[in-house]
Amino acid sequence: AQSVTQLGSHVSVSEGALVLLRCNYSSSVPPYLFWYVQYPNQGLQLLLKYTTGATLVKGINGFEAEFKKSETSFHLTKPSAHMSDAAEYFCDVSDNTSGTYKYIFGTGTRLKVLA
Amino acid sequence: DAGVIQSPRHEVTEMGQEVTLRCKPISGHNSLFWYRQTMMRGLELLIYFNNNVPIDDSGMPEDRFSAKMPNASFSTLKIQPSEPRDSAVYFCASSLAGPTDTQYFGPGTRLTVL
Repeated sequence: AQSVTQLGSHVSVSEGALVLLRCNYSSSVPPYLFWYVQYPNQGLQLLLKYTTGATLVKGINGFEAEFKKSETSFHLTKPSAHMSDAAEYFCDVSDNTSGTYKYIFGTGTRLKVLA
Repeated sequence: DAGVIQSPRHEVTEMGQEVTLRCKPISGHNSLFWYRQTMMRGLELLIYFNNNVPIDDSGMPEDRFSAKMPNASFSTLKIQPSEPRDSAVYFCASSLAGPTDTQYFGPGTRLTVL
């Protein structure tokens, strides 16, 4: 991937509301796509990933993402936000545009959940 | 199973001193990655090893930074001499099958250079 764009560095939602975190990438070849979550003072951990096959991917904690090749997007959603979802979320794309596979991370989106 | 282990968790040093960060990847993983995270620059890949061999070090900021992986269970990231702008959280991650697979991150080392 030449670039990964996460729209909105900060997103606030009410508890119980839909969570939508956006990720777009630029790539001329089929990529591998990941979403990671980072809680305060911790390392990143995998939420879900797309490699091949079904374009709708389900992950942990009720999150899912859909790979849309025509839109070069991999947006993360969750139907109903919980307070425990407050964290920073990173979209990660790997492809071999440069000749070898390489991870490119987005700049992250900090999710705030309002009571 | 133990995850990726990093030490120390916190390091405070003075400008000009040598700093060594350590990482033990998950057993059986053949790829290891060093990242730096700051508020200003986000998460940056510094270097990537595959089977103990450095594959891509294009993210290493300058000659003051060096990384080694003498065996499959240990890697170091060294900064010499350190500068205040090196203050950041440094993460080590490992994966089973290179940069198309899930990365498992360590807890990070928070480095402060005074």
